Amino acid sequence: TAGITQAPTSQILAAGRSMTLRCTQDMRHNAMYWYRQDLGLGLRLIHYSNTAGTTGKGEVPDGYSVSRANTDDFPLTLASAVPSQTSVYFCASSDSSGADQPQHFGDGTRLSIL
Amino acid sequence: RKEVEQDPGPFNVPEGATVAFNCTYSNSASQSFFWYRQDCRKEPKLLMSVYSSGNEDGRFTAQLNRASQYISLLIRDSKLSDSATYLCVVTDNYGQNFVFGPGTRLSVLP
Repeated sequence: TAGITQAPTSQILAAGRSMTLRCTQDMRHNAMYWYRQDLGLGLRLIHYSNTAGTTGKGEVPDGYSVSRANTDDFPLTLASAVPSQTSVYFCASSDSSGADQPQHFGDGTRLSIL
Repeated sequence: RKEVEQDPGPFNVPEGATVAFNCTYSNSASQSFFWYRQDCRKEPKLLMSVYSSGNEDGRFTAQLNRASQYISLLIRDSKLSDSATYLCVVTDNYGQNFVFGPGTRLSVLP
């Protein structure tokens, strides 16, 4: 089972350039999430989507945008990358229709902004 | 006060030791609770859910105390492969907003 697939695995990007991190899940989970993880700061929620067609802002949404056109895909876009967005990005999904349903994570994307 | 706090660690223990991690949360209406483990440069992976009555999975035991807003994880007979960062995770009262603790790093030494 693929679960959650993120692409690319890693990327070096020049400041000011735009980039879209891809996330696809095959579990038909209604909820999806984007986190960034930085040393000493733990996982921080960027954006989330409770169901296809809806999105919401997390703890650190500035500089990022998301879309949820369908259940499976939840891309994260950096419109104009800055060095402070250098981080490891994790996409996750969960079946929020039931109680006690955990999140499942992709392998992550390591992004360096120079 | 942070929403979810954990023992700062790191914990360095010998193989075979028993180790306990603590976690406290601030939202009394929190609905669901989990422990995840994260290996270096890898994604977090679900270790176990935490139920009100407490639950056990092999060498791992999780406890929940709603009155004290406290969760614990006990690892018995530690293995080298248990070395990882352990993340306490709490959801809001709708079960949709997942809040991660900062993690506690465990190193099991030979």
